[in-house]
Amino acid sequence: GAVVSQHPSWVICKSGTSVKIECRSLDFQATTMFWYRQFPKQSLMLMATSNEGSKATYEQGVEKDKFLINHASLTLSTLTVTSAHPEDSSFYICSANPGTRSTDTQYFGPGTRLTVL
Amino acid sequence: SQQGEEDPQALSIQEGENATMNCSYKTSINNLQWYRQNSGRGLVHLILIRSNEREKHSGRLRVTLDTSKKSSSLLITASRAADTASYFCATGGTSYGKLTFGQGTILTVHP
Repeated sequence: GAVVSQHPSWVICKSGTSVKIECRSLDFQATTMFWYRQFPKQSLMLMATSNEGSKATYEQGVEKDKFLINHASLTLSTLTVTSAHPEDSSFYICSANPGTRSTDTQYFGPGTRLTVL
Repeated sequence: SQQGEEDPQALSIQEGENATMNCSYKTSINNLQWYRQNSGRGLVHLILIRSNEREKHSGRLRVTLDTSKKSSSLLITASRAADTASYFCATGGTSYGKLTFGQGTILTVHP
């Protein structure tokens, strides 16, 4: 099946610093990728849709200036958490879809655990 | 916003028993998918059922969809300790690829 990787798998940073998380589709091209965040023992919340070659589409309530998304190629999307604070600590997961129909399966990355001290 | 609600929130069973998890949603959907997540890990896709389908099987998994009641169920038969995980339903609408996740069911299978 299709493989999606994320890097790093975990990161600890100091409050006020910025952290970049990469999401790669390893064996397929993805014009669209999705970024989710998940708090402990909770469900996944969609943050934004990453579009290759254009601006990301953010969900209501998600600060676009805080969570910068760049989809520079058909296999890579990055999420940068700017000026991170402890409340940004969470599990961030990306997904990608190798097809073009909305019924196609989403493939998820293994997630990145961010801890902000 | 989360539109899926799952019940039970937690389910504890013995190995060999069947596990049934339910998911309800609020708006029209294009498809409904079930995912599994082991603690602290990414999601693994289990099965996808389209809005015009009523039942689907995959190995020990059986999924039903009732669009009139806006609900779905996931049945895992002959459960194993390795099935211990969180299970999420996710609905797909007309917006390409966007999924809305339910709250999840934590399944514990005791050996």
